[in-house]
Amino acid sequence: AQKITQTQPGMFVQEKEAVTLDCTYDTSDQSYGLFWYKQPSSGEMIFLIYQGSYDEQNATEGRYSLNFQKARKSANLVISASQLGDSAMYFCAMRERTYNTDKLIFGTGTRLQVFP
Amino acid sequence: EAQVTQNPRYLITVTGKKLTVTCSQNMNHEYMSWYRQDPGLGLRQIYYSMNVEVTDKGDVPEGYKVSRKEKRNFPLILESPSPNQTSLYFCASSLSLGNPIRGYTFGSGTRLTVV
Repeated sequence: AQKITQTQPGMFVQEKEAVTLDCTYDTSDQSYGLFWYKQPSSGEMIFLIYQGSYDEQNATEGRYSLNFQKARKSANLVISASQLGDSAMYFCAMRERTYNTDKLIFGTGTRLQVFP
Repeated sequence: EAQVTQNPRYLITVTGKKLTVTCSQNMNHEYMSWYRQDPGLGLRQIYYSMNVEVTDKGDVPEGYKVSRKEKRNFPLILESPSPNQTSLYFCASSLSLGNPIRGYTFGSGTRLTVV
């Protein structure tokens, strides 16, 4: 079964610094997709970035980049130049697709706090 | 604006009183799904629907029902809520099985408390 592991329950970073949030995954599929979502205190789930298993380059979206190391089965999120508004819960997820199902498998999340 | 709309945002109810959480999307997505979020467990899938009149159980379906009579709507029904269903619920939709790029679009969440 597919599994997502986020080993950092909480992280602190100073404003304007970069921070890396760890994510490792386990799957036997050759084709898969990895996602990062942000959940601010208001509760909504905000899509940040996607990485496909066959993508040759690491995904980037503005200040967000995904450090994808396929052999190590890791998909770490890097946030550059942290802002106070980045304080939130961050979830790594993998899409599981079979002939009769399609769902996201989520990790337990990392709470990021950005301080001035 | 493309979105998934859930209602209500907050709900406090008593054990055993039937309730429905509505979910509607305006993106013509075939696929819709319900998740619940609990501390330390992340999000877990409750039910999903691949298209109209096609629904199936996710990982934690006990105590829930769904229906998909129209493409845009996917309500979550709790026939007899219990305190262990106190949680944050999310509805999500996606264009199709073959569209991984943007993942899912999530609703704003419904925070349910059952007393």
